[in-house]
Parts: sequence; C-alpha cells; structure tokens
Amino acid sequence: DAGVIQSPRHEVTEMGQEVTLRCKPISGHNSLFWYRQTMMRGLELLIYFNNNVPIDDSGMPEDRFSAKMPNASFSTLKIQPSEPRDSAVYFCASSLRGGYSIYEQYFGPGTRLTVT
Amino acid sequence: QQPVQSPQAVILREGEDAVINCSSSKALYSVHWYRQKHGEAPVFLMILLKGGEQKGHEKISASFNEKKQQSSLYLTASQLSYSGTYFCGTEDPPGSSNTGKLIFGQGTTLQVKP
Repeated sequence: DAGVIQSPRHEVTEMGQEVTLRCKPISGHNSLFWYRQTMMRGLELLIYFNNNVPIDDSGMPEDRFSAKMPNASFSTLKIQPSEPRDSAVYFCASSLRGGYSIYEQYFGPGTRLTVT
Repeated sequence: QQPVQSPQAVILREGEDAVINCSSSKALYSVHWYRQKHGEAPVFLMILLKGGEQKGHEKISASFNEKKQQSSLYLTASQLSYSGTYFCGTEDPPGSSNTGKLIFGQGTTLQVKP
C-alpha cells in the first residue's frame, strides 16, 4: 500500500492567493483527518470526516478555510484568501474506524505551506 | 482541554531510560502515543483503551491510569533511533463534545546521544 498521499509537498504562495491541498487516504479507511502543525500551536485538528461526511469542523480557524471529501479516495483543504499566519505543515491522516473507538491514524508526509 | 506533557524535552545517553507523562484535566476514554522524527510525519506507537492498561512496543511501553487521568510512556535502554518528538493524543468518553477525535499534547522532544 502506498500509504496516505498528499500533494503538493511544498507550496509557496503570496498573501491573498487561493491554496488547495490534496489528500488520498489509504484504501479501505473510512475516517480522514486534517491537521495543522506549527511550533507555536503544535498539532491541531482542523476537521475530520467519517464515511466522507464532515463530522467536526470546530478546529477550522475561520471561514477562509474549507474542506471537502467528494468520495472515499480524495479530500481537499482550501484556503482562500491565504495569509502569512497560515504558514504551517498540513497533515492528512486516515484510519479505519469501527464503532466508537478511534483506531491508529496513518499520517501522510504533509504539505509545507509558506505564505509570503 | 489539551493534555499536558512532561517533560518538554529530555536528553539521554544510549542505554538510559526515560519516562514521558501525559495528563488531562478531564476523564479520558483512551490515550494514543505517536512519535515524530524531524521533518517527517507522526507515526503511531500504541493505543491504551482501558484504565490501568499497559502495552508494549519493542522496548517502549505505556500505562494508562484512568482514575488519575494520565498516561506514561516508558522508554527503556534507549537507542539512537528513539530520538524524536513524542505526542500523546487523548480521546474523550462517548457522548462528550469531543467524541471521536484526538486532542494532541504539545509534545516531548527526546534526544538520544551515543
């Protein structure tokens, strides 16, 4: 299995531009998580999906952030317009969820976003 | 709501032992441990689901004291490959507002020297 795939791996953009991050979860996994990691704030959960349905987006910082999961094999995280404070590493993770418990999460390699 | 990890950083010599603690201010359903090496993604180590449960992974083991709302990660006879940042992630009990997701601590940076 190729693991969780994220693209792009690095993104440098100017303030005000739209940024789209992409994620392909592990085949068969039914939960998908988007995290943001910075030195100041650590590893923060932005949003997660179960069976392609957004369950909790309380971690999305503001309306400039949106996420979609149109099918079981693809998700996007969009920032529009981007700001310098959005600079961070964004991780996508997937897991197989059965019942209530959270199972082990497999993280993608991350997208390092720099907004100038 | 974020769990508190201690210590923030630790430096060891190969072969030495270390303990990393993770404490929560509220009841927990489970605790997850991950390790992240510099420039890489977090990697799963183990999940502890029951109060008092202990699990092991190589020479790394962990305990979960449900009553004290804390978990500890034990690294014995440390190796150079253990270097990295260790994160605990906590899961709230069923029915709570944070059901179904992990809240990660700030991390503990471990450096093992030869």
